[in-house]
Amino acid sequence: NAGVTQTPKFQVLKTGQSMTLQCAQDMNHEYMSWYRQDPGMGLRLIHYSVGAGITDQGEVPNGYNVSRSTTEDFPLRLLSAAPSQTSVYFCASSPRWVNTEAFFGQGTRLTVV
Amino acid sequence: TQLLEQSPQFLSIQEGENLTVYCNSSSVFSSLQWYRQEPGEGPVLLVTVVTGGEVKKLKRLTFQFGDARKDSSLHITAAQPGDTGLYLCAGDNGGYQKVTFGTGTKLQVIP
Repeated sequence: NAGVTQTPKFQVLKTGQSMTLQCAQDMNHEYMSWYRQDPGMGLRLIHYSVGAGITDQGEVPNGYNVSRSTTEDFPLRLLSAAPSQTSVYFCASSPRWVNTEAFFGQGTRLTVV
Repeated sequence: TQLLEQSPQFLSIQEGENLTVYCNSSSVFSSLQWYRQEPGEGPVLLVTVVTGGEVKKLKRLTFQFGDARKDSSLHITAAQPGDTGLYLCAGDNGGYQKVTFGTGTKLQVIP
């Protein structure tokens, strides 16, 4: 039972490079999201999706794009990496809209130099 | 953006001691979750509390939701090294996109 799978686990980028963080879930959850975790800041919502074909912005969306072509996959694209995007990124999925638990992937530690 | 303040930020205790972690806000939440996160892993849900005044127990962990649904506490009895980790609270205020995470309490239990 894989749950939420993120790849890669570690990544180093140069300023200005682009890349895609992959996220896949096998629990048939409608709701998926991307968070970034920074020291002393908690988890902050970047983008979320309420189903295939539907995405919306969270608290800190600038510099990131998402798409949701299938229920299972929710990739996060960094358009032009900046040092401020150095962080640990988590993908999560949830079965409900409210009062719901989030199932998290193992995270991607991204460093932008 | 609603804020969830957790205290203390760091806690280092000896095995067998008791401890309490607090999660406070000025906002009312429809539910509140507690997660534990270990190094190199994503957070894992411990409990969800929904009703004001609700108390839930998970072995040696006791969770309480404040009567006004603005705050919560996590009490650990007789802490063990396996309790070491980052404890996060998360408040849900009306939908998936309105979940706010606290800044976390980093707990170290020394054998």
